[in-house]
Amino acid sequence: DGGITQSPKYLFRKEGQNVTLSCEQNLNHDAMYWYRQDPGQGLRLIYYSQIVNDFQKGDIAEGYSVSREKKESFPLTVTSAQKNPTAFYLCASRDGRVWGEQFFGPGTRLTVL
Amino acid sequence: AQKVTQAQTEISVVEKEDVTLDCVYETRDTTYYLFWYKQPPSGELVFLIRRNSFDEQNEISGRYSWNFQKSTSSFNFTITASQVVDSAVYFCALSAAGGYQKVTFGIGTKLQVIP
Repeated sequence: DGGITQSPKYLFRKEGQNVTLSCEQNLNHDAMYWYRQDPGQGLRLIYYSQIVNDFQKGDIAEGYSVSREKKESFPLTVTSAQKNPTAFYLCASRDGRVWGEQFFGPGTRLTVL
Repeated sequence: AQKVTQAQTEISVVEKEDVTLDCVYETRDTTYYLFWYKQPPSGELVFLIRRNSFDEQNEISGRYSWNFQKSTSSFNFTITASQVVDSAVYFCALSAAGGYQKVTFGIGTKLQVIP
């Protein structure tokens, strides 16, 4: 079955540590996105990528980094510079050829202790 | 700049009541797409509908219906005869035409259907 996988579902880290969230898709989509969701704030865009080896900052990119070395993969690193990293992180992909909807992964809930 | 406003943060209805979720958007683009997504307690967003700016026909899918009005920049979502399984957070979203454009989401409306 085609879809998006995110791992792990729950992640705990100590303050000051970098952590990488995984996102993989087998839908052959060019575009991929990372969102952060906090209670009452909806989805806020962190980074998005239109094509391999290219990505753009979203609305809240500070303290985060990404890479896009393969079409299928778009990992997100939450660095120690992110002041309040505890949140629910959602990855999505989109078929740009048909201007279609985004497909979302199940999300990763990150808790920084 | 794009903006999506969902003024209703939380709504509670009794099962079998109808409920309408409001969505108002702002964009300078003449061609754009609007979306509705459902986020159940499990967390994964589920796509419900896409509408392009040239198509103002209302859409009905089972108990769900959508009313798109360009004149008021609104794309409202109605659930008829609500059920407990409809309890979720619903997001309205906006994207410029062109598949690689970023998608702007509203803050979501949390719907609770009480049995």
